[in-house]
Formats: sequence, C-alpha cells, structure tokens
Amino acid sequence: AQSVAQPEDQVNVAEGNPLTVKCTYSVSGNPYLFWYVQYPNRGLQFLLKYITGDNLVKGSYGFEAEFNKSQTSFHLKKPSALVSDSALYFCASRGSGYSTLTFGKGTMLLVSP
Amino acid sequence: KAGVTQTPRYLIKTRGQQVTLSCSPISGHRSVSWYQQTPGQGLQFLFEYFSETQRNKGNFPGRFSGRQFSNSRSEMNVSTLELGDSALYLCASSWDEGQPQHFGDGTRLSIL
Repeated sequence: AQSVAQPEDQVNVAEGNPLTVKCTYSVSGNPYLFWYVQYPNRGLQFLLKYITGDNLVKGSYGFEAEFNKSQTSFHLKKPSALVSDSALYFCASRGSGYSTLTFGKGTMLLVSP
Repeated sequence: KAGVTQTPRYLIKTRGQQVTLSCSPISGHRSVSWYQQTPGQGLQFLFEYFSETQRNKGNFPGRFSGRQFSNSRSEMNVSTLELGDSALYLCASSWDEGQPQHFGDGTRLSIL
C-alpha cells in the first residue's frame, strides 16, 4: 500500500527566509509525486509535479521540490518566503497502473512579517 | 479555460436526508475524482471515474455513491446522512493518471 508522510503539522518561517516543507513517500514502482497548496475555503491548487529524472523540480510561485530516491523524499522549498505563502500544503503520490492519488495529512506554513 | 466547477458551494441538511453534489471537470479531462476533507481525517479518497466507469473506490460505506456522465460531468450521492458526513467534498479532474489533478473549490456540507 502506498503512503505519504508529512512529519510536521506546522512550519514557521520569517518573511525573506528560505522555507522547507518535508515529505516522504512509499509507493511501488516509479512514483508520480505532486505538491498542492490550499488557501482557506478554497480547493487545492497544483504547485508542481515530479518528472522522472529531474532531481530538482521547479513549480509555480517560485516553489521548487527536491527529489531524493534513496531517502524516498520530495521536500518542497522556496528560497525566500512571502507572507502570502501562508497556507496548507499537501504532498501527494500516485503509483503506476491507475492507482489512487494518496495525500499526506498536510503541513500548515506560517510566514511571519 | 474554465476550471473545475462544483455546485452547490454550501449545503445544510439534516440527519437521514440524502444529498447530490455536482462536478463539472475541465474541458477535455476524462478522469474525475472525489475526496472528503475533514479536520480530523484530512483528505480521504472517495472514488474515481474515467470515461463513465468507476476506476477506483475508497474505503467508504455504500451510502456514498457516484457516477459520471458521457460529457465527463460527475455527481456524488450520499444517502441517509449522518452527523459525521459533515465535511468539505472536493472534486478533481485530470487528463489521465500521470497528470496533475485540478480541484474545484468544493461543496461544504453541514449536517444538523
């Protein structure tokens, strides 16, 4: 069975500092990996997707994610955080063969001015 | 290109009633998935439809059902509503499994 772990319920960072939101996955075969962001009373917005072979994936709004196969991790990063980045972030994985998309429990990112 | 549209946005029902939620996917997307989001359980997968066929089903009781029409629009139905069914129900569409799912803003269902 596939699973996604986001070990931090909340991440606090000051505006202008780099941020990292952690994600590890367990999925058979080559995974499809995604990051989504959710603002209050809204659905999830797609940020970026892992493409096989790219260890650093660039996405929307200056976000990027670092893929590490040996550590089965896919951490979300941004060099300089903005207050407007404060939101709930979800990591998700999907195996091959029409398996379901499995989400982590989410990490609340709070960026202070 | 219009995004995923879910109707209604808010719904209040009482225990024992039934409800139907609607989802219009992005034009050209053939896969539609439904999720239940609650503070305690997070995002839980309900079911996925592809070209009018249910391709995957989550671990929910039979009171939860869905269908997809030939134009890819989808509906989900919950019968005999319980207090625990109060949640945000999210619909997402995609071209296929390897592509990102695009989400609607959800239907907030409150059971009194």
